[in-house]
Amino acid sequence: DTAVSQTPKYLVTQMGNDKSIKCEQNLGHDTMYWYKQDSKKFLKIMFSYNNKELIINETVPNRFSPKSPDKAHLNLHINSLELGDSAVYFCASSQSGQGYEKLFFGSGTQLSVL
Amino acid sequence: KQEVTQIPAALSVPEGENLVLNCSFTDSAIYNLQWFRQDPGKGLTSLLLIQSSQREQTSGRLNASLDKSSGRSTLYIAASQPGDSATYLCAVRRGTGRRALTFGSGTRLQVQP
Repeated sequence: DTAVSQTPKYLVTQMGNDKSIKCEQNLGHDTMYWYKQDSKKFLKIMFSYNNKELIINETVPNRFSPKSPDKAHLNLHINSLELGDSAVYFCASSQSGQGYEKLFFGSGTQLSVL
Repeated sequence: KQEVTQIPAALSVPEGENLVLNCSFTDSAIYNLQWFRQDPGKGLTSLLLIQSSQREQTSGRLNASLDKSSGRSTLYIAASQPGDSATYLCAVRRGTGRRALTFGSGTRLQVQP
């Protein structure tokens, strides 16, 4: 069973459209994240949720709106897509309070905005 | 602001060689450091995690060391195999209680058979 799964794997869309990426984890973790990997391969944190509450928002444009209906899901909705949004988006999860907080990543969603 | 640098950016070695990947970070106030492996088109797999109070961690042919005071970590891979070919990423977690990781840009490793 996949621990952290995100869909879709590939997303090609036109500028100005609205799109969503879904993420689910079956590890029982209480913290979930969205990371963005740009063309230079740097991974940067976008959001983090702990028990459905937003705890990190790293100056991401408000066109990006994360939604956590429960602690096993963290979806990412993007409004008015721009060319610069093209990247690979990774969802991840971890369990807080264990001292180690190893992160488990999904396989990524490659977003191409044309 | 924490910055993480990985050297070299790319490395090609013949099978069987031992190799070292380097990671440096500018702010030594870290909570832990993780090494990940990323295969093309796939997510990241955590290889080793070193707490700030630890000096090294080992898993099979992998050994990661941490020198927090100098802001450095190394990942040692013994007896490399073609299956080790991947991008290796180093990431540090801030020591302020926030849970985000700051990543380096990775070292792309190719092990030639």
